Amino acid sequence: GESVGLHLPTLSVQEGDNSIINCAYSNSASDYFIWYKQESGKGPQFIIDIRSNMDKRQGQRVTVLLNKTVKHLSLQIAATQPGDSAVYFCAENTGGFKTIFGAGTRLFVKA
Amino acid sequence: GAVVSQHPSRVICKSGTSVKIECRSLDFQATTMFWYRQFPKQSLMLMATSNEGSKATYEQGVEKDKFLINHASLTLSTLTVTSAHPEDSSFYICSAIPGTGRETQYFGPGTRLLVL
Repeated sequence: GESVGLHLPTLSVQEGDNSIINCAYSNSASDYFIWYKQESGKGPQFIIDIRSNMDKRQGQRVTVLLNKTVKHLSLQIAATQPGDSAVYFCAENTGGFKTIFGAGTRLFVKA
Repeated sequence: GAVVSQHPSRVICKSGTSVKIECRSLDFQATTMFWYRQFPKQSLMLMATSNEGSKATYEQGVEKDKFLINHASLTLSTLTVTSAHPEDSSFYICSAIPGTGRETQYFGPGTRLLVL
């Protein structure tokens, strides 16, 4: 079936370094993608989104890149901070209300 | 803006009892709300889509008679886990969309259910 998956389940980075979290999706009909951050015991928090008519979108310290050719999505976090430690999920939407979540990547930021 | 709350945040119940979880959109009206379940170290799994004034749409494999959903108003959806069993222990998260278009979901803080 259709799925959204991640290349790396765990990522450990040094404080101040840049982080890159990757995600692969399999549904070519998906046209809206979202990155969420989830801290332990809390609900997911919206980080940034991108529509399929774009290949890059920047926010504050975060950038999402979309490569539709290879169905790949990435989240870049600049100058990673301890507060960025969390699980990050990519999610895709195929045009309806249903959003499919990827498996998640846990980001550890070492001080 | 776009705040979603859940109540209770944590609940412990005995096997066989029913538990109701509330999801509220505090500063917007939500025609559509979603209920997810998340087991430890796993992703969010959509259980059902809740539309105000109509029956919920359940995902395959989710028992509608066990997980009763009521979307009584534009700001409130409830999930009732009936005759709960230990395997129902999980983190239940709701989300809401402000408006009728396809927009970003805003998530509640989640409810931790432990069934003894």
